[in-house]
Amino acid sequence: QSVLTQPPSVSAAPGQKVTISCSGSSSNIGNNYVSWYQQLPGTAPKLLIYDNNKRPSGIPDRFSDSKSGTSATLGITGLQTGDEADYYCGAWDSSLSGVVFGGGTRLTVL
Amino acid sequence: QVQLVESGGGVVQPGRSLRLSCAASGFTFSSYAMHWVRQAPGKGLEWVAVISYDGSNKDYADSVKGRFTISRDNSKNTLYLQMNSLRAEDTAMYYCARAQTETTRLDVWGKGTTVTVSS
Repeated sequence: QSVLTQPPSVSAAPGQKVTISCSGSSSNIGNNYVSWYQQLPGTAPKLLIYDNNKRPSGIPDRFSDSKSGTSATLGITGLQTGDEADYYCGAWDSSLSGVVFGGGTRLTVL
Repeated sequence: QVQLVESGGGVVQPGRSLRLSCAASGFTFSSYAMHWVRQAPGKGLEWVAVISYDGSNKDYADSVKGRFTISRDNSKNTLYLQMNSLRAEDTAMYYCARAQTETTRLDVWGKGTTVTVSS
């Protein structure tokens, strides 16, 4: 059972938009920054979004996030087949003194 | 370029020990906190441990506390994870990852090393 809650899977057609939710508590999302990670099949996770909608170099602005209270949402527009991956939210948990992750959401681009 | 390369994984019997290494290059290793994160086959990410830039502060997941020890040698640009009393449930891909501080994003990840605990 993950500390952060994500839907197991989402799907949408190429070119469409999809959102992935991440629900936590005041000890993690509510009072710390959220990060999102993309894990393409057979590869290591990669930082996608961090600190209120900041993107590392090379990440297109098709990826965005938002936060409200103890929940965060990743949005992906203009879906491409290359976006098919597992997406994880993560945040520092001040009560646990560690990083907590969501269980991951598998994106399928139909 | 910025790079993290894990090594030391393998097949080990339950109850035995293993030490993982993570060699860093392309950045000032001694300025960053470092994490270990693992992923069991077909499962999600599980945070394991973090160490501050100078090694003075360490935190562990409850699942490994008392069995695993994170350490670093800044003179060798290397991060370590000493794993003792290994259990079948420790079987996973182990990734090292860099962070600005212990509580911030994991911005660079290695490719991982596989640990299999089996008799």
